[in-house]
Amino acid sequence: DSGVTQTPKHLITATGQRVTLRCSPRSGDLSVYWYQQSLDQGLQFLIQYYNGEERAKGNILERFSAQQFPDLHSELNLSSLELGDSALYFCASSVEGPAGELFFGEGSRLTVL
Amino acid sequence: DQQVKQNSPSLSVQEGRISILNCDYTNSMFDYFLWYKKYPAEGPTFLISISSIKDKNEDGRFTVFLNKSAKHLSLHIVPSQPGDSAVYFCAATRPNRDDKIIFGKGTRLHILP
Repeated sequence: DSGVTQTPKHLITATGQRVTLRCSPRSGDLSVYWYQQSLDQGLQFLIQYYNGEERAKGNILERFSAQQFPDLHSELNLSSLELGDSALYFCASSVEGPAGELFFGEGSRLTVL
Repeated sequence: DQQVKQNSPSLSVQEGRISILNCDYTNSMFDYFLWYKKYPAEGPTFLISISSIKDKNEDGRFTVFLNKSAKHLSLHIVPSQPGDSAVYFCAATRPNRDDKIIFGKGTRLHILP
């Protein structure tokens, strides 16, 4: 158990819909990272927050947004969903920045039909 | 643009022998490298890391070698054990410049009995 909690574990929805994925980092970790893993793809970096502020941005689509709340939990919002958005979405946390070890949650599997 | 490349999607190794997983990167600004291991239905877990000021880091059965001039790193597992069967991700970052951690697509390692 990494201490990072992601909900929901599985989600099935239709094209055009909007979903929210939630992540609770390990106690004490200030950084939260979001990654997308599609079929045959590696872990694609989406976005990172540190203590409530956006710190780094990857190839995150404009239809996607994220935020980190004062209690340090984070939400990834995916809107106008397309079939290609079907993927495993991982959240990871760390105490500080990337020089520290990342602790990953078990992921949220999104299926868009 | 794949900045971190793992060109072998899979690798099979006899139990007890050495497993060598390779990783290449294109961005010479990367100065910190990590390996993560992932079992099915679980999030990736940190295995070992290396800073660009070193060319080798060892932790038990796991050793990572870094060749900066070739922009290449490798993970050696000796001896390989059945529990090592997993997907291994190589990752790279620039801790003093930004917080992005870029992952490769992974290599699936099968340890044969």
